[in-house]
Amino acid sequence: QSVLTQPPSVSGAPGQRVTISCIGSSSNIGAGFAVHWYQHFPETAPKLLIYGNTNRPSGVPDRFSGSKSGASASLVITGLQAEDEADYYCQSYDMNLSGAKVFGGGTKLTV
Amino acid sequence: EVQLLQSGGGLVQPGGSLKLSCAASGFTFDSYAMSWVRQAPGKGLEWVSIIINSGSDTYYADSVKGRFTISRDNSKNTLYLQMNSLRAEDTAVYYCAKESHLYGDPLDYWGQGTLVTVSS
Repeated sequence: QSVLTQPPSVSGAPGQRVTISCIGSSSNIGAGFAVHWYQHFPETAPKLLIYGNTNRPSGVPDRFSGSKSGASASLVITGLQAEDEADYYCQSYDMNLSGAKVFGGGTKLTV
Repeated sequence: EVQLLQSGGGLVQPGGSLKLSCAASGFTFDSYAMSWVRQAPGKGLEWVSIIINSGSDTYYADSVKGRFTISRDNSKNTLYLQMNSLRAEDTAVYYCAKESHLYGDPLDYWGQGTLVTVSS
């Protein structure tokens, strides 16, 4: 059971928009800790996609956007492309787990 | 170019030990905290441990506390994870990752991963 809750899977057709939710609690996202999102293809290293709730690292297309409200966060992908098919993870900190980064359970995106 | 090159994975019996290494290049290693993150077969990412840039502070997930030790040698730009009393549930791909100075301290670069299999 992950500290941050994500839907196991989402799907969308090419060109469509999808939203992946990340639900936390008052000890992590709700406490004001930043949320980050990672994209992970099998057999490869995860890639930072969104940091600090809403920011894109250099090189990440603006089709990817993040938001945060209260104890939850969302990743929105617009203009879906076949190459977006991957696993997506949210990550934050939890004040009840000393020093601990916490990940969501991951969401498999099918395009 | 930032590179994190991992080594040291393999097959080990339950109760055994293994030491993972992560050789860093392309950035000022002693300026950044480093983490280990793992992914068990068919499961999601699980944070394992973090060590601050100087090496003086370390933190662990409850699942590995008392069995795993994270360390670093800043003179060799290398991160380590000593894993003792290994259990079947420690079987996973282990990634080292660099913590960024960006807002919220995300993990901005990751190693290629190394498979640890605990089995008799």
